[in-house]
Amino acid sequence: GQQLNQSPQSMFIQEGEDVSMNCTSSSIFNTWLWYKQDPGEGPVLLIALYKAGELTSNGRLTAQFGITRKDSFLNISASIPSDVGIYFCAGQAGADSKLTFGKGITLSVRP
Amino acid sequence: GAVVSQHPSWVICKSGTSVKIECRSLDFQATTMFWYRQFPKQSLMLMATSNEGSKATYEQGVEKDKFLINHASLTLSTLTVTSAHPEDSSFYICSARKLRGSETQYFGPGTRLLVL
Repeated sequence: GQQLNQSPQSMFIQEGEDVSMNCTSSSIFNTWLWYKQDPGEGPVLLIALYKAGELTSNGRLTAQFGITRKDSFLNISASIPSDVGIYFCAGQAGADSKLTFGKGITLSVRP
Repeated sequence: GAVVSQHPSWVICKSGTSVKIECRSLDFQATTMFWYRQFPKQSLMLMATSNEGSKATYEQGVEKDKFLINHASLTLSTLTVTSAHPEDSSFYICSARKLRGSETQYFGPGTRLLVL
């Protein structure tokens, strides 16, 4: 099935650094979502974006819905050890459509 | 809030037996629930979509007779893995959507299934 493109597969940063993750698609989505998954747990919703160009923050996290509706990015500022985990982007074409997930980016934060 | 629970959190069973996994929305009513499976280091793969009171819609390649889904109420959906085999071992995650037309899915904590 269709997937969103997330790369690289893994990222390693130092505690306190900022990190940016990108998610791209060949098709348009009307909703973009960012989830974080800890080992052995289900994904937890971080930020939901519903409008092209929208910029939304949740604490140290900021995400934007690309103007073309084919991409989104997530920024984490001043990273801390508990930011470690897998970050998935997900897109939804319509209100009743299923989610399309990226492959996820595993973030490691060195203390 | 939007809390989704799953039970059990992990299960070990013998090959050939059936296993039932429950997904509950604790503080909201869910007209639609979704079942995913996830293999190690991979993304979530949608198995089926279930709407309360109607038959589930299965994704291509997912056997509906093997993965039985029942969505009997607005707060409960169950996934039964029938005649489980070792290749069914995986992490099964459900999600729930609050209202028809609302995009956001809230995920449960997952159920780890190991078939011996």
